[in-house]
Amino acid sequence: GAVVSQHPSWVICKSGTSVKIECRSLDFQATTMFWYRQFPKQSLMLMATSNEGSKATYEQGVEKDKFLINHASLTLSTLTVTSAHPEDSSFYICSARYPSSYNEQFFGPGTRLTVL
Amino acid sequence: AQTVTQSQPEMSVQEAETVTLSCTYDTSESNYYLFWYKQPPSRQMILVIRQEAYKQQNATENRFSVNFQKAAKSFSLKISDSQLGDTAMYFCAFMNRWGAGGTSYGKLTFGQGTILTVHP
Repeated sequence: GAVVSQHPSWVICKSGTSVKIECRSLDFQATTMFWYRQFPKQSLMLMATSNEGSKATYEQGVEKDKFLINHASLTLSTLTVTSAHPEDSSFYICSARYPSSYNEQFFGPGTRLTVL
Repeated sequence: AQTVTQSQPEMSVQEAETVTLSCTYDTSESNYYLFWYKQPPSRQMILVIRQEAYKQQNATENRFSVNFQKAAKSFSLKISDSQLGDTAMYFCAFMNRWGAGGTSYGKLTFGQGTILTVHP
C-alpha cells in the first residue's frame, strides 16, 4: 500500500518558538494533503486542506497565521506551528489523497508536539 | 454540514466472539462514502472498510462487515472472531462523493470514536 511519512515523530519545544512538521508521500504523488489534530482519546479534527501549488484551505476556527501550511511539491506538505503555546500541544496527523482514487487517503504516523 | 455520531465510547469483547460498533450520520447528500478506520495504540490510522452509498450491498473485508442502512443513516461495523490485535479505537467517517460540490468535497468527517478492547 501507499506510504505516508511524518517527521519528526515527536517534538518538544519551548513556548514562543516555531515548530515545523513534514508530511511526505513516499511512493505516490499527492496533489492534496490534509492536516488533522487529535487530543488524547478524542477524534481527529480536520485543520486544513493542503493543495500543491496553491494556498491551503483552513477549517473554520483554525488560525491560518498560527498554523502555516506549505505544499511546495507533489510529495511534501509542511505544517508550521508559529509562536507555539502549551495549548498547541497535541497529536498532529497528516493524510495524502491517492491520485487515482479521490476517496482514498493514506495517513501518516502522526507527530506528537509538546510545548513547555 | 455532515455529522457523524458514535454513541458507544467504549466496548469490550472476548476473544473469538463477535462485536458490533454503531455509527449514525446526518447528511443531505445522496452520494457519499462511509468508512471505518482503526487506530491501534501506535496511533497509525488504518482503513478497515469502505462503503459507497449508491451500492446497496454491504461491504465485507474478511472478518469485518458493515450493516449499511441508508434510509436510517446508519453504518455499523461487525467484527467476527475478534482477535487481540483488534484492540484499538475505531472511527466511523463520512466523505462526500465527487460532484457533491461545496467545500466539503474529499474531506473526512470523523465520529467521536469507540475504544474496543478484546479480552483473552
